[in-house]
Amino acid sequence: AQSVTQPDIHITVSEGASLELRCNYSYGATPYLFWYVQSPGQGLQLLLKYFSGDTLVQGIKGFEAEFKRSQSSFNLRKPSVHWSDAAEYFCAVGSNTNAGKSTFGDGTTLTVKP
Amino acid sequence: GAGVSQSPSNKVTEKGKDVELRCDPISGHTALYWYRQSLGQGLEFLIYFQGNSAPDKSGLPSDRFSAERTGGSVSTLTIQRTQQEDSAVYLCASSSIGNEQFFGPGTRLTVL
Repeated sequence: AQSVTQPDIHITVSEGASLELRCNYSYGATPYLFWYVQSPGQGLQLLLKYFSGDTLVQGIKGFEAEFKRSQSSFNLRKPSVHWSDAAEYFCAVGSNTNAGKSTFGDGTTLTVKP
Repeated sequence: GAGVSQSPSNKVTEKGKDVELRCDPISGHTALYWYRQSLGQGLEFLIYFQGNSAPDKSGLPSDRFSAERTGGSVSTLTIQRTQQEDSAVYLCASSSIGNEQFFGPGTRLTVL
């Protein structure tokens, strides 16, 4: 069965600092990978996704993520965090097999210090 | 185009009553998910529909919870004999198979 682990429940960074949120997945084939963001009081929004091809994917709001098959990871990065990036971040794994179901991690809460 | 819609946006009910929550997915999306999100918590998977396949009900917390999807489109989540611990935001999402999920705004359920 597929699964996602986000090892960090809560991360705090200073505004302007770099950010890396970790995501590890378990899946028997080539996965589809997603990062979503949920700002306070808002719905979930897709940041970026990986299906195939270039393992470094760019998303909205200046985020990027890198697929590393050897490490079963899909970490999210941003070079300079803004206060508005404070939110809950969810990693998800899926595919077009296994009935196409996607599975979410438990999320990482990002706090940004001024 | 229209996104995923959910109704009602808010529902307040008394303990022991039944409630129905509705989800209208994006047209053409064959996959539909229901999640529950308690305050400050992550997404709790409830049920997954994909096309005409039998739904994946592995996340339903008890037999008080059920869901159906009619005609491969609209879905209804029913909670019978509601309990206070059922209070949460219930989120619906739809997608094409394997693809990104599009989320509705949620239904905030409060059980008094």
